[in-house]
Amino acid sequence: GDSVTQMEGPVTLSEEAFLTINCTYTATGYPSLFWYVQYPGEGLQLLLKATKADDKGSNKGFEATYRKETTSFHLEKGSVQVSDSAVYFCALRATNTGNQFYFGTGTSLTVIP
Amino acid sequence: GAVVSQHPSWVICKSGTSVKIECRSLDFQATTMFWYRQFPKQSLMLMATSNEGSKATYEQGVEKDKFLINHASLTLSTLTVTSAHPEDSSFYICSARGASEKLFFGSGTQLSVL
Repeated sequence: GDSVTQMEGPVTLSEEAFLTINCTYTATGYPSLFWYVQYPGEGLQLLLKATKADDKGSNKGFEATYRKETTSFHLEKGSVQVSDSAVYFCALRATNTGNQFYFGTGTSLTVIP
Repeated sequence: GAVVSQHPSWVICKSGTSVKIECRSLDFQATTMFWYRQFPKQSLMLMATSNEGSKATYEQGVEKDKFLINHASLTLSTLTVTSAHPEDSSFYICSARGASEKLFFGSGTQLSVL
């Protein structure tokens, strides 16, 4: 079945460091891919998305490219800030099973000054 | 942006008691609401999908008699964990989808059953 595998955390980085959180997926058909972020005490929020192969989603300095050949959607940011400390979830929305979402396990990121 | 309010954010209960979790869409009408749970170090898993005014659709392996879902209005869905046991301890989160088709999440409820 459809699934998402996400890099385990926790991840701790210094401010201005480069961030990569790996995400790979298994899906039939052509899913849409998402990154959600959950800041402390808040709900999950959509960070970025990509709906087809080679699309690049971007928001708040974060980027992820939908790579069909490697079934990946890695999240990257060139220079993290303390305010980026949160839990990040990779997700896919299956197109052939009623738009059901499948989430990764979440990766906790802590950025230290 | 749209807001989904989920309460309580944290609850501890004794084994055998029931716990109700509320999920409200504050500024839009949620035609569909979803309930997820996440056990430690595991993925966020869909438990059930509910449409306003109709019975919830449960995912395979989720006991509908144990996890009662009510979606009586376009702004409120509730999840009741009946006769909770320690193995039900988990993080539960709701999400709501309205006319825009966008998905908005609550802040989650951490349930601990003693």
